[in-house]
Amino acid sequence: GESVGLHLPTLSVQEGDNSIINCAYSNSASDYFIWYKQESGKGPQFIIDIRSNMDKRQGQRVTVLLNKTVKHLSLQIAATQPGDSAVYFCAEGYSGGGADGLTFGKGTHLIIQP
Amino acid sequence: GAGVSQSPSNKVTEKGKDVELRCDPISGHTALYWYRQRLGQGLEFLIYFQGNSAPDKSGLPSDRFSAERTGESVSTLTIQRTQQEDSAVYLCASSPTGRLAGFYEQYFGPGTRLTVT
Repeated sequence: GESVGLHLPTLSVQEGDNSIINCAYSNSASDYFIWYKQESGKGPQFIIDIRSNMDKRQGQRVTVLLNKTVKHLSLQIAATQPGDSAVYFCAEGYSGGGADGLTFGKGTHLIIQP
Repeated sequence: GAGVSQSPSNKVTEKGKDVELRCDPISGHTALYWYRQRLGQGLEFLIYFQGNSAPDKSGLPSDRFSAERTGESVSTLTIQRTQQEDSAVYLCASSPTGRLAGFYEQYFGPGTRLTVT
């Protein structure tokens, strides 16, 4: 089946700077996308989601952008803090059914440098 | 409120032994998912329960893996005759409705780290 992939496995950002984590997806039928944050030794934690009828959604310090034309998803984190250091996963889903649950990418490790 | 809980948090077992992992979903969540996460990898879907419907077992890697769920409560994932390649973190997640009603965010437990020696 089709799967989600990430452009960069590791991203290092200075504290206070903005970070952008990118994700490419290949299933054009996917209509739901989520970003998860996973800290060491913990389960993934929901950050923000977006449906395919939107191209942008904002949360607290985070923004998700969806470009359906090129099948690209990004997570922007503003004014990064040490607590933002984690692995970030994007995931896609298709609400019309299918064999799988959410399909996850391999993750990007975000490192916040002081 | 209480989140998704899993037990044990860590399990070390000898190759060939059976193991049982437990997941307590958030009360009222009808959908429950099991995932496997190998070291440094993403999440691999294993099985999906939705209410009293037949589970979607399409992600189970072999017939050594099975899972049960009683109604909309606790679920157990059983691995028989464990192999070293089964070593991973097994994550459970629950959500209010599940994918057939449109996705909603999945709430994850802390996982069970399984090590097969």
